[in-house]
Amino acid sequence: AQSVTQLGSHVSVSEGALVLLRCNYSSSVPPYLFWYVQYPNQGLQLLLKYTSAATLVKGINGFEAEFKKSETSFHLTKPSAHMSDAAEYFCAVSASSGSARQLTFGSGTQLTVLP
Amino acid sequence: DTAVSQTPKYLVTQMGNDKSIKCEQNLGHDTMYWYKQDSKKFLKIMFSYNNKELIINETVPNRFSPKSPDKAHLNLHINSLELGDSAVYFCASSLAGVYEQYFGPGTRLTVT
Repeated sequence: AQSVTQLGSHVSVSEGALVLLRCNYSSSVPPYLFWYVQYPNQGLQLLLKYTSAATLVKGINGFEAEFKKSETSFHLTKPSAHMSDAAEYFCAVSASSGSARQLTFGSGTQLTVLP
Repeated sequence: DTAVSQTPKYLVTQMGNDKSIKCEQNLGHDTMYWYKQDSKKFLKIMFSYNNKELIINETVPNRFSPKSPDKAHLNLHINSLELGDSAVYFCASSLAGVYEQYFGPGTRLTVT
């Protein structure tokens, strides 16, 4: 079984400031981890993924995340926030179920970027 | 060139009605999923189909029945709609053996 905990349902940063969104996971097998972004009234867009290769993963729009097994974490960061980054962010862990890969999502973090 | 599409985008209906949501993907994937996002934005998987075969069937009421006519389509039929069914339903797809999933734009279902 796997689970994801996102610390902080709401995070506010000033434009240009560092973005840090926290994600901790629990998995009985080596995990595959993802960050998705959801803009208002839209579907989920894949930001980045960890699939057991490099522990520092770079994604789209300047985001990156680091897999830390010892801390069971996969925090999302961006050096400088932009107004367009305001959205809901979801961390997810994947485990196999036959030929399908079930995603288990965290509860989401709403990012607000202040001018 | 939409990758995963859903119709309709919005669906407003009364309790007790039966409705369907359609999903199509043109990515050549062989696995498709339905997720439900509740009012608190929590996402939970409902079903998964691989090559038209049901793989994942989470605990959802029998009133929900997925149907996959072919690999590119996965429809969701809901009977006897209830107020608690109001949510956003997302379709997603992936390749078997590949972990990332690609999501459709969602269907916002409102039951009155």
